This record gives sequence, C-alpha cells and structure tokens, in this order.
Amino acid sequence: QVHLVQSGAEVKKPGASVKVSCKASGYNFTTTDINWVRQATGQGLEWMGWMNTNTGKTAYAQKFQGRVTMTADTSTSTAYMALSSLNTEDTAVYFCARGVVSRVAAAVGYYYFSYMDVWGKGTAVSVSS
Amino acid sequence: DIQMTQSPSSLSASVGDTVTITCRASQSISSYLNWYQQRPGKAPILLIYGASRSQSGVPSRFSGSGAGTDFTLTISSLQAEDSATYHCQQTFGLLWTFGQGTKLEIK
Repeated sequence: QVHLVQSGAEVKKPGASVKVSCKASGYNFTTTDINWVRQATGQGLEWMGWMNTNTGKTAYAQKFQGRVTMTADTSTSTAYMALSSLNTEDTAVYFCARGVVSRVAAAVGYYYFSYMDVWGKGTAVSVSS
Repeated sequence: DIQMTQSPSSLSASVGDTVTITCRASQSISSYLNWYQQRPGKAPILLIYGASRSQSGVPSRFSGSGAGTDFTLTISSLQAEDSATYHCQQTFGLLWTFGQGTKLEIK
C-alpha cells in the first residue's frame, strides 16, 4: 500500500528556516513526482511546487521562488521541502503529495493529465516570535 | 499565474439532493482540471482528474464536466459523508493553482 509519512510539527521564529520530510513507501519512489501544498488555518490549498524525483527537476510557484527548495534522497525514498526567511504568514499545514501522470487518447495524439493521488497527513509549521 | 475561481464559496443541501460546484479559470486550460474533497483535519482526496475522469474507488455520484475555462463538479444523491470542502486545481503547464474551495454542509 502506498504511504507518505511526514515529519512532525515545527515551531520557528520569524527569519528562520524549516525543512519538512516526506518518506514514501509501497511504490517505486523515482517513478513519480512529489508535490508540496500548504494550507493556512481556515484557508484554501496553496500549491508550492513539484519535484521530479528521478531527474531532480523542480517547478516552484512564483510566490515561493527564491525561498523554497525541494530535494529528494532516492536511497531512502524521502522528499524534502525547505522554506527559508519564514514569517508569520507561513504558519500552515504543509502536505506532500504524490504526483502522477495519466496518458489519455485524444482526437489527435494524447492528453497527459497530472494529479495528486496520494497525500501525506500534513506537517504543522508555526511561525511566531 | 492562472487564477481559479470557485463558486459558491459555501452551500448547504440535504441528503438525497444534487449539487453543482463551478470552477472558472482565468485562461483556457483545456481539460487540465482536477477536483479534490477535503474533510476537516484531513488531507485532500482526489475525486476527478482530466475534468471528467473519475479516480478509482470514487463513488459514481461524483462527476465532473467542462473544458476550456468553465468546469463543474456535480454530486448527486448527496450522502451525509459528502460534507466537506471541495477544491479545484488546474495543471495546465508547469505551474499549478487551486481554487479557493467550496464548503458543502449537509443539513
């Protein structure tokens, strides 16, 4: 069975950095991407970016460019998300999610639909002075 | 960034009803639209991908439609366990975005 197990809650001061881990099991880690999504209390989901665990290629939402780094250790099937220069607005639950692609025949050629099919339970990060 | 706007922000319905949630993209995203369900305190669950394709194991009362900029999620024969927040997400190109969510309450 596919599982993503995330690291525990973090409490940080403004200006600090945080690194959240996401350990995968039950599938071949390097065959799919890992996405990171966050959610502040009472707010919607906010996509932060994804990482191709095979090539190391990343794509980050513009909002987080320069502050976020996504990495992976394929030897332990673990993905990491580091966020620097934290401020109180970064207080949120951070989720990792497996990203998969389905190829679907179209009238001409194919569609390649991306989606997140398995999610971790989330890691609470609190930023407070 | 492509902006996604969901409506309504919240709604209330009874068991057995049919409800529709809409999601509008700020530009055409073809069929690159997913829907997720999220219960309080839990991680989201994938319902629909590619605008209309059901994820394995999702009850048939959940269906999606649309293409281009306008999309809908329809939940028929509402059950009590459908009380949740529903999120749309576009995956057109490399940078993705979610809508703000629609909270569904079952009376």
